[in-house]
Amino acid sequence: DAKTTQPTSMDCAEGRAANLPCNHSTISGNEYVYWYRQIHSQGPQYIIHGLKNNETNEMASLIITEDRKSSTLILPHATLRDTAVYYCIVKVSSGSARQLTFGSGTQLTVLP
Amino acid sequence: SAVISQKPSRDICQRGTSLTIQCQVDSQVTMMFWYRQQPGQSLTLIATANQGSEATYESGFVIDKFPISRPNLTFSTLTVSNMSPEDSSIYLCSAPAPSGLPYEQYFGPGTRLTVT
Repeated sequence: DAKTTQPTSMDCAEGRAANLPCNHSTISGNEYVYWYRQIHSQGPQYIIHGLKNNETNEMASLIITEDRKSSTLILPHATLRDTAVYYCIVKVSSGSARQLTFGSGTQLTVLP
Repeated sequence: SAVISQKPSRDICQRGTSLTIQCQVDSQVTMMFWYRQQPGQSLTLIATANQGSEATYESGFVIDKFPISRPNLTFSTLTVSNMSPEDSSIYLCSAPAPSGLPYEQYFGPGTRLTVT
């Protein structure tokens, strides 16, 4: 699995877009980018994933660069409840569920 | 979405004792996973629990210390044996989401263990 690098922490003003970067320069062609977050005192929560196209769902957008060496998770209108640790995970997709490998993640603090 | 519950939510235990943590999923799943999250740290996978077979442990974790049961497709237990203060952590279980995406998983709320 490719190694990922994320900033340790970031702040964002409430109502503004939060842009969380992730570097995965050694990603291979069959590896997906997954994002999870962990709100304090809760278990991690799946947010979004992508292979090479940009993806959007009700929670966030995922922008993957053309060379796939980095990606950005975008929370379009951050709220105080988005304060959490955000994990970028790169994994080879397979036909059955597999275990996740969590790095250090980015602590996002949304400020009022 | 699947709901995963864990019992107990927290406990304070004396060193040398054992604690069994229960994980209940509201749908049938083939695989369940147990993670440990030490204070201020990220999650580390302990083992994968498959129904009908022995659990598969990650490097650094052994069955004698963390025995796992998987009696059916909705339930699993993790026992932390002969505890020491270094075992103070949050223990989480997870299971694959019904979406079928390989790495979309639901997590339980965790069990916060303090060993004194």
